Amino acid sequence: EAAVTQSPRNKVAVTGGKVTLSCNQTNNHNNMYWYRQDTGHGLRLIHYSYGAGSTEKGDIPDGYKASRPSQENFSLILELATPSQTSVYFCASGDAAGGVNYAEQFFGPGTRLTVL
Amino acid sequence: QQNVQQSPESLIVPEGARTSLNCTFSDSASQYFWWYRQHSGKAPKALMSIFSNGEKEEGRFTIHLNKASLHFSLHIRDSQPSDSALYLCAVRGNNRIFFGDGTQLVVKP
Repeated sequence: EAAVTQSPRNKVAVTGGKVTLSCNQTNNHNNMYWYRQDTGHGLRLIHYSYGAGSTEKGDIPDGYKASRPSQENFSLILELATPSQTSVYFCASGDAAGGVNYAEQFFGPGTRLTVL
Repeated sequence: QQNVQQSPESLIVPEGARTSLNCTFSDSASQYFWWYRQHSGKAPKALMSIFSNGEKEEGRFTIHLNKASLHFSLHIRDSQPSDSALYLCAVRGNNRIFFGDGTQLVVKP
């Protein structure tokens, strides 16, 4: 089964500070994704990547940057954190090949970020 | 832009009931349709999928897909307290996946 890990699992940051959330996957998936999930709600796509060196904007990219230095690693960067970015952040990976599995995403355990 | 909507937003059912969750989508060219389940405090995990019109059954879970009506659903037979979770539908279209906002299901013993 796909293995996606995230670090840190919990983070408290101050307003205006820089925060980096890291994600690592060991299944050689081309595609990786960053989502945020607010209490009781669905997933909102922030950034995604089709492979090393590529990043694409999702539905809510403002205030976030992404970096994909390698096939395995995908980072989400908050240059100037704000309290509105308090949320749970999930990283996911998925296969880029065709077929039904193309839509299956494998999620990491999540990072709970609190910005004070 | 794909628009994926789920209903109801929340649902409380007694143990043993049959539960139905709904998902509508806007892009008729959509190809693959998934249900994900997320237990409280955990990551979403793929539950089951369908890509052609009709029905697919896996244990107590059944997916129905009707592309013409832009609708698919998840039915849970003999609902158990362990089924209590947030259920997210997902649709592949425009080279990416779109998630609905979820249905929060509570199964009361």
